[in-house]
Amino acid sequence: ILNVEQSPQSLHVQEGDSTNFTCSFPSSNFYALHWYRWETAKSPEALFVMTLNGDEKKKGRISATLNTKEGYSYLYIKGSQPEDSATYLCAFIHDYKLSFGAGTTVTVRA
Amino acid sequence: KAGVTQTPRYLIKTRGQQVTLSCSPISGHRSVSWYQQTPGQGLQFLFEYFSETQRNKGNFPGRFSGRQFSNSRSEMNVSTLELGDSALYLCASSSNRGSETQYFGPGTRLLVL
Repeated sequence: ILNVEQSPQSLHVQEGDSTNFTCSFPSSNFYALHWYRWETAKSPEALFVMTLNGDEKKKGRISATLNTKEGYSYLYIKGSQPEDSATYLCAFIHDYKLSFGAGTTVTVRA
Repeated sequence: KAGVTQTPRYLIKTRGQQVTLSCSPISGHRSVSWYQQTPGQGLQFLFEYFSETQRNKGNFPGRFSGRQFSNSRSEMNVSTLELGDSALYLCASSSNRGSETQYFGPGTRLLVL
């Protein structure tokens, strides 16, 4: 069982503020890391697939960085909006399967 | 393209019964993975099917089984249900390998009484 940890478990952000949170994963035998967004009453939706050390991906106001040598990835939300409220999951890929973290639940207050 | 569909969406069973959940992947996707989510837990990988063969399996007891049909539709079966099996069961499809981007269905919420 691989240890994929996300912190914090939850956070509250004022609309317009920026925030970030972390996904930690085993640093050996890295293949890929996925980020997903899971809104209430919807299905998890893929945000990023990250494969290379130093990778930076961006989608609108959301971006992610990857450090495979130290085993962490950051997800950033710039200028948070209420529609960013969701649980953000990271998944570490090993042996062709995904190990998910427990997620960071973001609540954006208007 | 139609998304991943799962049936039923909600299910109530009693301990000892068995249940079958169904998942239809995105057209053209050949890999179907199943996940369980219980309160406070992340998504736990159950198994992955590709071309009617189980290609990968998580750490779940043998009561959990699955299969995939020639049209890539997949079913998951849980026998001798326990209270702890109450969970949201998600299936996800990907075009080839189970390690690629997963496209999730809406899930089946199972309650075991």
